[in-house]
Amino acid sequence: GQQVMQIPQYQHVQEGEDFTTYCNSSTTLSNIQWYKQRPGGHPVFLIQLVKSGEVKKQKRLTFQFGEAKKNSSLHITATQTTDVGTYFCALGGTSYGKLTFGQGTILTVHP
Amino acid sequence: NAGVTQTPKFQVLKTGQSMTLQCAQDMNHEYMSWYRQDPGMGLRLIHYSVGAGITDQGEVPNGYNVSRSTTEDFPLRLLSAAPSQTSVYFCASSYSGLAGEKLFFGSGTQLSVL
Repeated sequence: GQQVMQIPQYQHVQEGEDFTTYCNSSTTLSNIQWYKQRPGGHPVFLIQLVKSGEVKKQKRLTFQFGEAKKNSSLHITATQTTDVGTYFCALGGTSYGKLTFGQGTILTVHP
Repeated sequence: NAGVTQTPKFQVLKTGQSMTLQCAQDMNHEYMSWYRQDPGMGLRLIHYSVGAGITDQGEVPNGYNVSRSTTEDFPLRLLSAAPSQTSVYFCASSYSGLAGEKLFFGSGTQLSVL
């Protein structure tokens, strides 16, 4: 099956600092999704990337899909306390109905 | 909009007990799934269904049963609970399950098996 490595597992930042989480796959992906889970909450869909080299932005969040479609990153500029939570990548492979999630990166933002 | 509804929110079981986690969605989604979340391991797929009467195993199916008699409901059964099944369980749905569709998650069930 698909193997995915998401790093780092934990990240502590001061409010205003930037944050990046990386997701690496052992296989070429058809697409990749990103989800955010607030503490005590459930995962919520953020975005999907499909094209090689694709870059998408949502306000202070920038999502990138690697040229080889084997890796992706989520970058947050000038973190705020509202950014705290766990960020997951999810790999969409060729298997119908099976989405493989990364281990997640837990972000803590200190005011 | 209710979306995906899970019950109960919390449950404590003794080893060997059985129980059913309920999941219902009102979005007319064909695809439904169950994930478990454990620290440092992300979300792991237990079972999934691409329509009424159709179910299949995910990554960690052992110890769990499912059935899908209606489009709306997808219950997860633990026949004989074990401490290793202590986890947070999420039900999720999407329109058809095709690659690229976003998942809608329920609020989760926190299960402890003593």
